[in-house]
Amino acid sequence: EAGVVQSPRYKIIEKKQPVAFWCNPISGHNTLYWYLQNLGQGPELLIRYENEEAVDDSQLPKDRFSAERLKGVDSTLKIQPAELGDSAVYLCASSLSGRSYNEQFFGPGTRLTVL
Amino acid sequence: KQEVTQIPAALSVPEGENLVLNCSFTDSAIYNLQWFRQDPGKGLTSLLLIQSSQREQTSGRLNASLDKSSGRSTLYIAASQPGDSATYLCAVRLGGNNRLAFGKGNQVVVIP
Repeated sequence: EAGVVQSPRYKIIEKKQPVAFWCNPISGHNTLYWYLQNLGQGPELLIRYENEEAVDDSQLPKDRFSAERLKGVDSTLKIQPAELGDSAVYLCASSLSGRSYNEQFFGPGTRLTVL
Repeated sequence: KQEVTQIPAALSVPEGENLVLNCSFTDSAIYNLQWFRQDPGKGLTSLLLIQSSQREQTSGRLNASLDKSSGRSTLYIAASQPGDSATYLCAVRLGGNNRLAFGKGNQVVVIP
């Protein structure tokens, strides 16, 4: 079974440019998460989807960040415009809701460098 | 707000020694606790998940314990190997939602 797939793996852009990250969760997983991980820190949740619905986006900086999961499967996270402080690893995870423990499985992440 | 602390931040051990990694959390109202491994430049690999009603979970050389009342979990890795070198992250799932609160990790180096 394939794990969580993310692309691209690495992205280098100049500040003020837009950037987008893509995630395909484990087949059948209805819950999808986007996390931000700064160097030397644990991941922090940006947004959580239950199927197509964003049910927890309180930590998403909505002035420049947006996300979508139109068909309840894959998802895109966008930053426009990017700032120097956005340099980090963006992780996608998925889980199967309804199970009592909702174990989360993570993708390899996208490492963003903003110059 | 749930605070998760992992001590020590970094440690080195000779091959063959047992590893003991500590995680503490401030709010005991957790749903479960998950230990992850992260290799440099990689994503997170789930190692063990302990339900709030459980005291421990075991997988091969790994054993994780949970003392919810005191807000602590310990990950034991028996007979460490150089391949165990990685960062180990502890995360607690807050009750009522699927949000995970992570610690900063224990960076482990196993010396051959």
